[in-house]
Amino acid sequence: QSVLTQPPSVSGAPGQRVTISCTGSSSNIGAGYDVHWYQQLPGTAPKLLIYGNSNRPSGVPDRFSGSKSGTSASLAITGLQAEDEADYYCQSYDSSLSGPWVFGGGTKLTVL
Amino acid sequence: EVQLVESGGGLVKPGGSLRLSCAASGFTFSSYSMNWVRQAPGKGLEWVSSISSSSSYIYYADSVKGRFTISRDNAKNSLYLQMNSLRAEDTAVYYCARDDYESWFDPWGQGTLVTVSS
Repeated sequence: QSVLTQPPSVSGAPGQRVTISCTGSSSNIGAGYDVHWYQQLPGTAPKLLIYGNSNRPSGVPDRFSGSKSGTSASLAITGLQAEDEADYYCQSYDSSLSGPWVFGGGTKLTVL
Repeated sequence: EVQLVESGGGLVKPGGSLRLSCAASGFTFSSYSMNWVRQAPGKGLEWVSSISSSSSYIYYADSVKGRFTISRDNAKNSLYLQMNSLRAEDTAVYYCARDDYESWFDPWGQGTLVTVSS
């Protein structure tokens, strides 16, 4: 069981908006640590999608946005496209573990 | 171009050892912390180990502590993971990833597959 909780799957039709949640606790997200998001297309390595809760690296479309509040964070994707079908992971720092970094369990996005 | 290329994966018997390498290029390797992250078949990402730029700080996930050793050679722009006492549950694709601002991981290598099986 992951320290950060994500829904196993979400889906949406092309053009729609979907959100993926990432729920943590007082030792990670709730403690003020930043949340980062990664996109993993089938058969490829993860790629940074959002850093520092809401910042997009160069080249990431503005259809992708991130937010954080309390012990949770969210990734929103608007204008859903077929190529957005992928696995999405959140990541943060946790102060209660022997190792600093934790990932969410991942969410499979299906574009209907 | 910033690039990370892993190597050293393969098939190994339970209890065996393997050493993974990650060759870095396109950035000042000695200025960044580095990480190993693994992904078991069909499963999510699991952080494995981190090493600071000068090797002063090293961290391991509880699942590999005492069995895996992370190291780096800044002169060779290379990161390593020595894996001993391997178990079936260590079967995974192992990625190396640069640690940006001691916070997020970018970029990632393409990964190398480690299979532990008799």
